[in-house]
Amino acid sequence: ETGVTQTPRHLVMGMTNKKSLKCEQHLGHNAMYWYKQSAKKPLELMFVYNFKEQTENNSVPSRFSPECPNSSHLFLHLHTLQPEDSALYLCASSQVRRGPINNEQFFGPGTRLTVL
Amino acid sequence: GESVGLHLPTLSVQEGDNSIINCAYSNSASDYFIWYKQESGKGPQFIIDIRSNMDKRQGQRVTVLLNKTVKHLSLQIAATQPGDSAVYFCAEKSYNTDKLIFGTGTRLQVFP
Repeated sequence: ETGVTQTPRHLVMGMTNKKSLKCEQHLGHNAMYWYKQSAKKPLELMFVYNFKEQTENNSVPSRFSPECPNSSHLFLHLHTLQPEDSALYLCASSQVRRGPINNEQFFGPGTRLTVL
Repeated sequence: GESVGLHLPTLSVQEGDNSIINCAYSNSASDYFIWYKQESGKGPQFIIDIRSNMDKRQGQRVTVLLNKTVKHLSLQIAATQPGDSAVYFCAEKSYNTDKLIFGTGTRLQVFP
């Protein structure tokens, strides 16, 4: 286990549904991330929260809405999705420090999302 | 633009042999690199990292080599085992950003 949990692990939803993905990290990290992983494509960064503030929105459509109520929890609210949004959604966390020190990101197991 | 790519989509090796997975990157400002392993049904798992002030770093059965001149990164796995079968990703970032850029991944298949 990496210390990052995600629920649900699998989700099937229609295009008119509203659902939310949840991520929780137990590592005491101060940054959390949402990634989208599609078949045969690189991992795509969607959002970054650093000290609970959104620092990156990688041109993600507004039908994806992130929420970070505290440094341990991250949500991804889904609304009016399209079939091409079907993918594995991965959450990650890291300890960000100022300056040139870099630290790896720890990933959760992901939520397999299917949009019908 | 920035991009990280892998030369080989699939690598098949015999159990006990050494594996070498390659990665090219294009952003010369990147100064931190990571290799991740992703098994079926799981998220990416950190294997090893290297900073740009190093050329080589060794872990347990794994070695990462960095050639900044040609912007090339490689992961060497010694005595490859069936449990090493997975997709391997390289990723890069610059020190002044939280953003990791991932390659497309290489699938490593280990056969007996």
